[in-house]
Amino acid sequence: NAGVTQTPKFRVLKTGQSMTLLCAQDMNHEYMYWYRQDPGMGLRLIHYSVGEGTTAKGEVPDGYNVSRLKKQNFLLGLESAAPSQTSVYFCASSYVGEQYFGPGTRLTVT
Amino acid sequence: SQQGEEDPQALSIQEGENATMNCSYKTSINNLQWYRQNSGRGLVHLILIRSNEREKHSGRLRVTLDTSKKSSSLLITASRAADTASYFCATDASGNTPLVFGKGTRLSVIA
Repeated sequence: NAGVTQTPKFRVLKTGQSMTLLCAQDMNHEYMYWYRQDPGMGLRLIHYSVGEGTTAKGEVPDGYNVSRLKKQNFLLGLESAAPSQTSVYFCASSYVGEQYFGPGTRLTVT
Repeated sequence: SQQGEEDPQALSIQEGENATMNCSYKTSINNLQWYRQNSGRGLVHLILIRSNEREKHSGRLRVTLDTSKKSSSLLITASRAADTASYFCATDASGNTPLVFGKGTRLSVIA
């Protein structure tokens, strides 16, 4: 099993550009999550999904959109990137309780 | 807002010593989890303790939970250089609510 994978690993964007981060899991988990982690901070929840076709806002959803068209994939979109979105983004999935994390995507917005 | 707050923010110990990290939270919880994050990596789940449990062990890890004080502690015994990482506590209010993570404790174990 690959577990949770994230694509890409690194990305540099200019202000105003858009991009999509892809998260994939092969554990048949219902729940999937997108977090951002900034220096010296814990993880802050952006959006999450409790099943295919569902999404919900987390603590810091502004400037991001998500989609869960297939159970195994959870996409995070930035429509118009801003320097404040420079961060490391982590995806996670779970059945109940324990979450499994991907390796992260380091995004820089200049 | 973050539910859990770890203490201390940073901890440096010698190999072989025990490391204790604390987590305090504000509202009632369903369960509390501890995760480890090595530099540049994703988080890895260590242990989950339910609100009706007081203590749990896993290898060199011991977690306690005091719901009356809204606090938990993670003890790593006989620490190794490989234990160097950041440790986060995370709580959820119920089985249907997402986890809320603290800011973490950075542990350095010096060989």
